[in-house]
Amino acid sequence: DAKTTQPPSMDCAEGRAANLPCNHSTISGNEYVYWYRQIHSQGPQYIIHGLKNNETNEMASLIITEDRKSSTLILPHATLRDTAVYYCTYNNDMRFGAGTRLTVKP
Amino acid sequence: KAGVTQTPRYLIKTRGQQVTLSCSPISGHRSVSWYQQTPGQGLQFLFEYFSETQRNKGNFPGRFSGRQFSNSRSEMNVSTLELGDSALYLCASSPGQPGYNEQFFGPGTRLTVL
Repeated sequence: DAKTTQPPSMDCAEGRAANLPCNHSTISGNEYVYWYRQIHSQGPQYIIHGLKNNETNEMASLIITEDRKSSTLILPHATLRDTAVYYCTYNNDMRFGAGTRLTVKP
Repeated sequence: KAGVTQTPRYLIKTRGQQVTLSCSPISGHRSVSWYQQTPGQGLQFLFEYFSETQRNKGNFPGRFSGRQFSNSRSEMNVSTLELGDSALYLCASSPGQPGYNEQFFGPGTRLTVL
């Protein structure tokens, strides 16, 4: 019942940028895109959100396409502690997809 | 501000029993959502409660039910437990209003069914 599509896994070298894509083609015009990550079996942690414009905070950057049907989460300088499962979701839909398992390698 | 709390943190039950899990949201949050996570699986949405009413529901059998109290605390009940119900159960709270609604997750309750 997930309405988002993400690659199941990705690898990234430590210190390099990690770019995680998400397709959310059924998003409505007033719905925010959210990204979360889950380390081991802890509760997911909020990373960033956006509506139309690109956003940046201390953790990551979020690039949303002009048609809003997809977005990319960017971790500019990935560290080993960024190894986690990353989920994207959007407003008014509490469902998460399977997420992307990002592995940062030394 | 206190975070989302869930009790108990760990629970062991046997097949056929029932179980009740509790979630206390962040003060002021009116929406509570519940998720099931089995090993190797993503987050499976169970249901969302807002102002004591179920607002959204996932694709789970009727053995899974919930409720929300006037103070926004929520409980989830699973009756006639099956081995496949062994999972991490997470709850998340949010303001629940239109617009920006970041979800804050609790640490989860790990349920083991023997």
